[in-house]
Amino acid sequence: DQQVKQNSPSLSVQEGRISILNCDYTNSMFDYFLWYKKYPAEGPTFLISISSIKDKNEDGRFTVFLNKSAKHLSLHIVPSQPGDSAVYFCAAISGNQFYFGTGTSLTVIP
Amino acid sequence: DAGVIQSPRHEVTEMGQEVTLRCKPISGHNSLFWYRQTMMRGLELLIYFNNNVPIDDSGMPEDRFSAKMPNASFSTLKIQPSEPRDSAVYFCASSTHRTAPEQYFGPGTRLTVT
Repeated sequence: DQQVKQNSPSLSVQEGRISILNCDYTNSMFDYFLWYKKYPAEGPTFLISISSIKDKNEDGRFTVFLNKSAKHLSLHIVPSQPGDSAVYFCAAISGNQFYFGTGTSLTVIP
Repeated sequence: DAGVIQSPRHEVTEMGQEVTLRCKPISGHNSLFWYRQTMMRGLELLIYFNNNVPIDDSGMPEDRFSAKMPNASFSTLKIQPSEPRDSAVYFCASSTHRTAPEQYFGPGTRLTVT
């Protein structure tokens, strides 16, 4: 049973516009959430994280929002660039347990 | 730093054969994780080690899968005997300690079992 879900397998966005990637989770005990970015033939690379006690974390063009009541996490990329085209995984941590979503493939169109 | 190193990058084997995947974590990292990526289930945690000791292997799918970490700089994931449904990309990751949120992934091993 997937405890972390990314319901959109793919997303296309025009360069310069905002990309919004979404993630839903079921376990209210998760205490850390992360986003990873993955290019083909490479391992995932850490992008940004947020503690469960916060509702927003920003790092340059990347902002993660956490809505605990809705059990929903989102990653905003503004402005989107062609180099952002990759698969994005959300992940959640609870104690010793680590859970990843199935990923969303983002294509930024020049 | 060379990052997490995995070998081989690609492995093609026949059903029933033994497969061994290798991982060298980042020097100084105390935790090591093995993941499997499939289209249907995304990234699944198989097992993780802390200070070379297996902490949680509940994600290991069957007894055909085993993992070892004989020292801080080396780990193996073995599948014996392999089956076609084991075909996937297997990632190794390491982190400074088991509660550190960021994990650093290797490039993965693409396994194909025919």
